[in-house]
Amino acid sequence: SAVISQKPSRDICQRGTSLTIQCQVDSQVTMMFWYRQQPGQSLTLIATANQGSEATYESGFVIDKFPISRPNLTFSTLTVSNMSPEDSSIYLCSVELTRTGEQFFGPGTRLTVL
Amino acid sequence: QKEVEQNSGPLSVPEGAIASLNCTYSDRVSQSFFWYRQYSGKSPELIMSIYSNGDKEDGRFTAQLNKASQYVSLLIRDSQPSDSATYLCAAGMGYSTLTFGKGTMLLVSP
Repeated sequence: SAVISQKPSRDICQRGTSLTIQCQVDSQVTMMFWYRQQPGQSLTLIATANQGSEATYESGFVIDKFPISRPNLTFSTLTVSNMSPEDSSIYLCSVELTRTGEQFFGPGTRLTVL
Repeated sequence: QKEVEQNSGPLSVPEGAIASLNCTYSDRVSQSFFWYRQYSGKSPELIMSIYSNGDKEDGRFTAQLNKASQYVSLLIRDSQPSDSATYLCAAGMGYSTLTFGKGTMLLVSP
C-alpha cells in the first residue's frame, strides 16, 4: 500500500468561508478520489480527481461547491466553498494503486462548520 | 441506482466465536468486492478483496462471494475484542469507483 497524508487533520470554520484540504501520496497513482463521511453514515463519493483534466463529479456534487485540483500524480486538493453547518463531515481522499479496484484511504480531515 | 446493503447491527459476539457479516449488492455487473474495517474516529482500512465466486481466506478472515445471489460475506474466526469496529462492504467494476454500504458494527465481548 501507499503512505497517504492529509492536511489539515481537523478544522473548525465559520459559515460562508472556504477550506482547502490537501492529499499527498508517496508514490505516483493514476486514480485519486474524494469522499465525504457524515456522522454515523457511510462513505459518499464526491468526485474522481483526474490528473491534467477536470474532476469527475458524482450526482449531487458540483464544481462550484467542491473545486478539485490534481496538478500531478501524487497530489490533490479539495476545496469546500461557502461552507454551511451541513458541510460538517469527515473528508477522505483515497487512491487506487493497481488496476484491481482496491482503494486505500488517507487519515481524513474532520471539518466542523459553525 | 447502485446499492450495497448491510445490516447496521450491532452484531455482538463473544471472544473466540465466529463473526459473520453479510452484504448484498444491486448492480449485477459488479466485478470486485471489498471489505473495509473502520475503527471509531479512524479512516477505513482494506482487509479483504474478492473477485470470483467462492471463498478467499487470509488469516482469520474469510470472504465469500456468490454472484448469482449478489451476496458477499465476511467471516472472522476466533474473534477478538480488537476486531470491534464497523465493517464496510464495497462493490465496484474493476478499475472504477466503488459503492459502499452503510456498514455493520461488530462488538466482540471479552
